[in-house]
Amino acid sequence: NAGVMQNPRHLVRRRGQEARLRCSPMKGHSHVYWYRQLPEEGLKFMVYLQKENIIDESGMPKERFSAEFPKEGPSILRIQQVVRGDSAAYFCASSASSAIYEQYFGPGTRLTVT
Amino acid sequence: AQSVAQPEDQVNVAEGNPLTVKCTYSVSGNPYLFWYVQYPNRGLQFLLKYITGDNLVKGSYGFEAEFNKSQTSFHLKKPSALVSDSALYFCAVRDIGLGGNKLTFGTGTQLKVEL
Repeated sequence: NAGVMQNPRHLVRRRGQEARLRCSPMKGHSHVYWYRQLPEEGLKFMVYLQKENIIDESGMPKERFSAEFPKEGPSILRIQQVVRGDSAAYFCASSASSAIYEQYFGPGTRLTVT
Repeated sequence: AQSVAQPEDQVNVAEGNPLTVKCTYSVSGNPYLFWYVQYPNRGLQFLLKYITGDNLVKGSYGFEAEFNKSQTSFHLKKPSALVSDSALYFCAVRDIGLGGNKLTFGTGTQLKVEL
């Protein structure tokens, strides 16, 4: 019974490069959420997706960040032209439906921008 | 907007003693409240939730939480703490945004259980 899978677990990028973070939800889950945890802070919501649809992206920075959840394959959080301030832990969560309120989290991807 | 507050950055308790981690909330409408635990370099693990019903909610690993509407609180409790309970605890509330299913987290409380 695999949980939420994220890869890579650790990612190092130089300023200006692109970062791609992947998330495979729990089996049977079709709702995916991305959160960011900055050092010494709590988790902040970024985006909520269902298969092929972005439902709520109110927490996404306006530039350089994008997310997708295609019909086949994992959800991808993409950060273009990374800056040092993007260094954080990025967590993916999934739920079976919007009526199942608890979300199950993956282990996170720790992004370091040098 | 919905919000939760965790007034204590850290709570220290001796093993075997009861523990309480505090959380207060501010919501419009009925609150949907959650507790999660985070161990070092790990993701968050779901502990319990309050949606409706009994004010005392039981969850994983012997934890429970008491919903108090008049005090707008949702404190996490455990009758007898273990050293292995030492971790970072987050209270969260379901935020009714677009699609209505994002979680808004508190800033976290570090629990340290000592022998």
